[in-house]
Amino acid sequence: DTEVTQTPKHLVMGMTNKKSLKCEQHMGHRAMYWYKQKAKKPPELMFVYSYEKLSINESVPSRFSPECPNSSLLNLHLHALQPEDSALYLCASRAIKRHATNEKLFFGSGTQLSVL
Amino acid sequence: DAKTTQPNSMESNEEEPVHLPCNHSTISGTDYIHWYRQLPSQGPEYVIHGLTSNVNNRMASLAIAEDRKSSTLILHRATLRDAAVYYCILASGNTGKLIFGQGTTLQVKP
Repeated sequence: DTEVTQTPKHLVMGMTNKKSLKCEQHMGHRAMYWYKQKAKKPPELMFVYSYEKLSINESVPSRFSPECPNSSLLNLHLHALQPEDSALYLCASRAIKRHATNEKLFFGSGTQLSVL
Repeated sequence: DAKTTQPNSMESNEEEPVHLPCNHSTISGTDYIHWYRQLPSQGPEYVIHGLTSNVNNRMASLAIAEDRKSSTLILHRATLRDAAVYYCILASGNTGKLIFGQGTTLQVKP
């Protein structure tokens, strides 16, 4: 199984809603990533988890709250979002070995989020 | 974070080779060079990566300059299915970050 599965595929939410995005992988990868991608732009790194601990937060607003409850699962909790947060949210994972970045990223297909 | 620079777009004819360039003049000694591509409505897909030596796999080849300040992704025979946005990325050996460049949109003409 070499898949990263993201749910839901599409999400529409109001600015007062609370919702969560889910990402799952069963490749034994111990590094997991959240990226945000606006239309016709490259993905922007948001968070990195290594061994289920948050290792990188790219100064993301607190209305985005990541969680890594176990080695296979990564969540992104959303609260009080703004319309400009509408984007494709991508999850990725990779193995952690001796040379950390000598391992490729596996991406999910993303969750297309619309904030009204 | 080290950055990459790529042309915004390139065109190729089907079944001809394509050379996609990337400049990364601020690369550090522990940064790996990764290439990914993204088709519409999909997540990025791994293509190839390397550190210092040229690399080949079933999808493509990666040629890395001796000073590592630039690299070229080579698709040996472009097909219509290779039309995508190609991203050159420096993967930080210190932080584990993979920061995307702006990408090159490749069009393949039949």
